[in-house]
Amino acid sequence: KAGVTQTPRYLIKTRGQQVTLSCSPISGHRSVSWYQQTPGQGLQFLFEYFSETQRNKGNFPGRFSGRQFSNSRSEMNVSTLELGDSALYLCASSLGGGRSGEQYFGPGTRLTVT
Amino acid sequence: QKEVEQNSGPLSVPEGAIASLNCTYSDRGSQSFFWYRQYSGKSPELIMSIYSNGDKEDGRFTAQLNKASQYVSLLIRDSQPSDSATYLCAGGEPGYSSASKIIFGSGTRLSIRP
Repeated sequence: KAGVTQTPRYLIKTRGQQVTLSCSPISGHRSVSWYQQTPGQGLQFLFEYFSETQRNKGNFPGRFSGRQFSNSRSEMNVSTLELGDSALYLCASSLGGGRSGEQYFGPGTRLTVT
Repeated sequence: QKEVEQNSGPLSVPEGAIASLNCTYSDRGSQSFFWYRQYSGKSPELIMSIYSNGDKEDGRFTAQLNKASQYVSLLIRDSQPSDSATYLCAGGEPGYSSASKIIFGSGTRLSIRP
């Protein structure tokens, strides 16, 4: 079974631009979560989608948004990029339900904002 | 505020010895716990999940959960250099909750010395 895939793997953007990251979960997984990971802050929860609905959102500004499609693929968008948005963005999928915590991470998208 | 705490390390263990990684959590409602391994520059990988008090063994790994003491540990027997990584502890609510209810610790860096 194929793992979680994320595109692109690396991205360099300038301040003020916007970016869209894509995630394809493991087949059969309906829950997709997004995380931001930085050396100083660790793994920070952004949001979770389940069956095309956002179930929860972390403490991030409204510039961060996401969506999930009917095939469970998900995208996240960051508008008006800031230097502090430079990070590794990780997508994780899970079966959901009682196995929600067993998450499988994609390789991540490393975003650099200059 | 619900927290999962880990010693950041680095924890240095000789090859062939037992590595012991510890984690405490603040929320008594947490009943699902997970250990992830993250190699430098890579994404986290789920290695163990534990839901009940006691020990759970999988190969060289043993997860231990003590809900009364709010304590989770991971033992790695016969440590190998390939076990050198950061280990993330995560805990959250039971049952049909979402991945957003899972809180990650900041990780313990483990180094296995030859």
